[in-house]
Amino acid sequence: IQMTQSPSSLSASVGDRVTITCQASQDISNFLNWYQQKPGKAPTLLMYDAIILETGVPSRFSGSGSGTHFIFTISSLQPEDFATYFCQQYDNPPYTFGQGTKLDIK
Amino acid sequence: EVQLVESGGGLVQPGGSLRLSCTDSGFSFSSYWMHWVRQAPGKGLVWLSRINSDGSSTSYADSVKGRFTISRDNAKNTLYLQMSSLRAEDTAMYYCVRDSTTVVMTYWGQGTPVTVSS
Repeated sequence: IQMTQSPSSLSASVGDRVTITCQASQDISNFLNWYQQKPGKAPTLLMYDAIILETGVPSRFSGSGSGTHFIFTISSLQPEDFATYFCQQYDNPPYTFGQGTKLDIK
Repeated sequence: EVQLVESGGGLVQPGGSLRLSCTDSGFSFSSYWMHWVRQAPGKGLVWLSRINSDGSSTSYADSVKGRFTISRDNAKNTLYLQMSSLRAEDTAMYYCVRDSTTVVMTYWGQGTPVTVSS
């Protein structure tokens, strides 16, 4: 299953609303994770089952979609949100990742 | 708190072998499926392999099938990745990842770097 994530990079300002999309090459139901990764660190899970916020993750993060089209949204960017974001499907192995979206400060 | 600590990375020559380890300091390691993921410098994440809770079932990415072997020792709370016939393109940070009770690939270790070079 191929995961096509867009955009690959994004410049935004604190307070902006940003959206990242992930398209699966076939129906993966809701078997999708979203991760955040900061430089030199391991990824951290933000959302699972496409729409469920992991415990402790701020509510400004949200996800939607099912089947093949998924959207990840940050409603109001905070300084600590500038990082790289990845989607990942876990419908069937291999559990493929999107290419990543690098979010930086405008 | 879940803590996964990888070890065993380092510099290896092309064609060589290396065994990575990942130790889970928490409880109930034997209850969870485990995974290996790698990330080449400046690149994205690549899922490599998974193993079920008792070690009886495994899956691999095509890029490592036949060269890498995942295994686990539940008595030692440790996950392994035996890597052989290593190539320059295997150079990456290698992460072990654990499922939670309800979520796939929840917890990540800090990674161990592998460099394949002569």
